[in-house]
Amino acid sequence: KQEVTQIPAALSVPEGENLVLNCSFTDSAIYNLQWFRQDPGKGLTSLLLIQSSQREQTSGRLNASLDKSSGRSTLYIAASQPGDSATYLCETGANNLFFGTGTRLTVIP
Amino acid sequence: NAGVTQTPKFRILKIGQSMTLQCTQDMNHNYMYWYRQDPGMGLKLIYYSVGAGITDKGEVPNGYNVSRSTTEDFPLRLELAAPSQTSVYFCASSPRTSGKNIQYFGAGTRLSVL
Repeated sequence: KQEVTQIPAALSVPEGENLVLNCSFTDSAIYNLQWFRQDPGKGLTSLLLIQSSQREQTSGRLNASLDKSSGRSTLYIAASQPGDSATYLCETGANNLFFGTGTRLTVIP
Repeated sequence: NAGVTQTPKFRILKIGQSMTLQCTQDMNHNYMYWYRQDPGMGLKLIYYSVGAGITDKGEVPNGYNVSRSTTEDFPLRLELAAPSQTSVYFCASSPRTSGKNIQYFGAGTRLSVL
């Protein structure tokens, strides 16, 4: 069974700082890996999707990387802003999909 | 475009009652999913469907049933509600074309079983 782990569980940074969120998975037989953002009491919004054949994807201040062989993905957020405060979740798998438990990010003004 | 719509938003059930959580999408996506999210946890996949008439179990299917008679709708049925089913339920859909699986989520249904 795929196991997805996200470290750290919570992170507080001052505004403007660059930061990295980590996601690790145990089974490399994946179709792709997706990063989501979840605001309190809300649904999930897809941020970036990396196909299994890709190494990274970029969208604005966000960059996600994927290393299938080591079972790791990182989400890099540049120049963090208070509006980035949310829980960030990664999800991966094949037909059956598995989420990590998330990293709760707080950006302090 | 409404995207993925879930109803109801909130529901309180008594132990042993049954209910259906509704999910519909207007993006003509093949794949649909049901997840549950317990407090402070990530999401766990309950059931998924790769197209009309086809469903399969996810990680935590016990106590739930699904059907997929149309591309648009993917209802989740709880037959005998138990306190352990108190959770927030999310429905999602994706086009699953060319290896891409960008998922679009509904706003969730908050269910309490008392």
